[in-house]
Amino acid sequence: NAGVTQTPKFRVLKTGQSMTLLCAQDMNHEYMYWYRQDPGMGLRLIHYSVGEGTTAKGEVPDGYNVSRLKKQNFLLGLESAAPSQTSVYFCASSTRQGELREQYFGPGTRLTVT
Amino acid sequence: LAKTTQPISMDSYEGQEVNITCSHNNIATNDYITWYQQFPSQGPRFIIQGYKTKVTNEVASLFIPADRKSSTLSLPRVSLSDTAVYYCLASNSGYALNFGKGTSLLVTP
Repeated sequence: NAGVTQTPKFRVLKTGQSMTLLCAQDMNHEYMYWYRQDPGMGLRLIHYSVGEGTTAKGEVPDGYNVSRLKKQNFLLGLESAAPSQTSVYFCASSTRQGELREQYFGPGTRLTVT
Repeated sequence: LAKTTQPISMDSYEGQEVNITCSHNNIATNDYITWYQQFPSQGPRFIIQGYKTKVTNEVASLFIPADRKSSTLSLPRVSLSDTAVYYCLASNSGYALNFGKGTSLLVTP
């Protein structure tokens, strides 16, 4: 049981390049999330998904797109990277079963845009 | 999603009990209070969650007064490995738009 995994772990992009970050979870969770964390700051929600085929915007969605074609995967895309998108990106998942609303986080992807 | 306020930082010595208070004055009736721990270069890790009164697990205790406008995370007998950032969330969905800066706890010998 790997939990939440993220690919890649590190990436350096040039301004204007595009890339996709992959998040995968093997816990059969309904909900999945993408956060970004800048130095000295807490996590801010970019987009989230409450089920396969559905996505919604979080607090900082501009410049990002997401897709949830399969329940276990949540993709975060940057169409035209900008230096302001240099950050650590965390994916998380949670279940809607029961009262507990625990999020399980991945190890993060460190992205640098030059 | 209720806004939460926590101290920016706290210091403690090994073996002491640490209490971190979180204020959430506009908490909604169906919001739960959840605490996460984050070590450098890692994703946050769930510690404890509660709705009212007291919740205890093998890691921490969570105290929530009757008015639910604040909560206190209690870490008994901290060790150096408890040095981390602790985030308090008040949410009915389990996620937050913004975790805030959390409380940076430094434990020293």
